[in-house]
This record gives sequence, C-alpha cells and structure tokens, in this order.
Amino acid sequence: NAGVTQTPKFRVLKTGQSMTLLCAQDMNHEYMYWYRQDPGMGLRLIHYSVGEGTTAKGEVPDGYNVSRLKKQNFLLGLESAAPSQTSVYFCASSSGTANTGELFFGEGSRLTVL
Amino acid sequence: QQQVKQSPQSLIVQKGGIPIINCAYENTAFDYFPWYQQFPGKGPALLIAIRPDVSEKKEGRFTISFNKSAKQFSLHIMDSQPGDSATYFCAASIRAAGNKLTFGGGTRVLVKP
Repeated sequence: NAGVTQTPKFRVLKTGQSMTLLCAQDMNHEYMYWYRQDPGMGLRLIHYSVGEGTTAKGEVPDGYNVSRLKKQNFLLGLESAAPSQTSVYFCASSSGTANTGELFFGEGSRLTVL
Repeated sequence: QQQVKQSPQSLIVQKGGIPIINCAYENTAFDYFPWYQQFPGKGPALLIAIRPDVSEKKEGRFTISFNKSAKQFSLHIMDSQPGDSATYFCAASIRAAGNKLTFGGGTRVLVKP
C-alpha cells in the first residue's frame, strides 16, 4: 500500500541548475498538491491540480512549474534553482469529494541549493 | 499574509500533562479545520478534524475545541505520552475550492517521561 511516493528523497543542486521532483499516488485521487516546508513557516502551497491536465498556482508559485499529464503523477520542476529554494518539498493528494478534506502526504524530498 | 496563526512554537510537558495548541484564522469561508501530526523525517498525517458547525470533537486522547465567533480553534492532548512528541500543525481549507490547506506555522511538542 504505497500511497503517495516522492522521488528523489534527497538532492543537492548548484545555483542555476534545473531538476524535477516526481510524485506518484496509487489511490486514484483527483486532487494533487505540492507544498514546501520551511522552519517556523509551516507548509506553504506551491501549485496544485484538481484533475489530469489541469494545474493552478498556490501561495508561493514563483520559480516553479508543474505538470499533471497522468492522473497518478504530479511533477514539480525548478528551471533555475536558487538558494532560496532550499527546503523540504511535500507532495499530497486528496480524493476531491466534498465529504472529506483529508490530504495524504508523501515522506518529502529534501532539496539543498548551493 | 498568514491566514492561520498558530501558538506556541514549542511546548514541553511531563508525561500525563495536557499540551494545548491554539490557532486563529481570518477567512470566514474556511469550512474544514484539520490538525496534522508530523514525526521527524516523515510527512504530515491527519490526526483529527472538525467542521465549523461543531464546537468540540474528541478522538481518543485528542480533542479539538472550536469557537466560530472568535475564529479560533485549539488542540488538547489528554494524558500525553512520550510517543506524542512530534510537530503539530493546524490548518484550514475551503473544501469546494480545491480543498487547498492553509497551514499554521507548527508547534513542536516534547513530552518528557
């Protein structure tokens, strides 16, 4: 029972490099999210998707792009990494039904930008 | 703009004590208020949640108190145990608007044996 799986779990980048974080969920959920977690700031929403082929901006979208080509996958891209993007990134998914608002989170991807 | 404010940032209690974490929100359109628990190296996991038409909800040793008029809600951990040591986040969302959770800043709770 995998739930939400993120890859890679750790990555070190140099300023200006690009990379993609992959999120996969096996719960047939409609909604998917990317959050970043920084000390004292909780989790902040970067981008989200309410269905295959759709994406929308969250609270802190600058410097990131996303794609949802398949329902089970949600990719987060950094085109030109900056030290300010050093963070722990969490992917989450939700069924999208009105009866529950529960989000299921992956275990995180720790990114360091030098 | 921090729409959900959480306090305190950290809390130390003895085993059996009752840690209390408070949150305040601004957006009256929020209709779902969950608490998430996070252990080091893991993702947050839903602990308990409440809707604004209920003033209190209990699940095991965890209780949410909700005050709609004051736009505040709190988490109480009864008979706390060392295994409850974790970071706790309050959050709020509008379920019909993408169910995007807005999180508080988190509270690190340490329960001493």
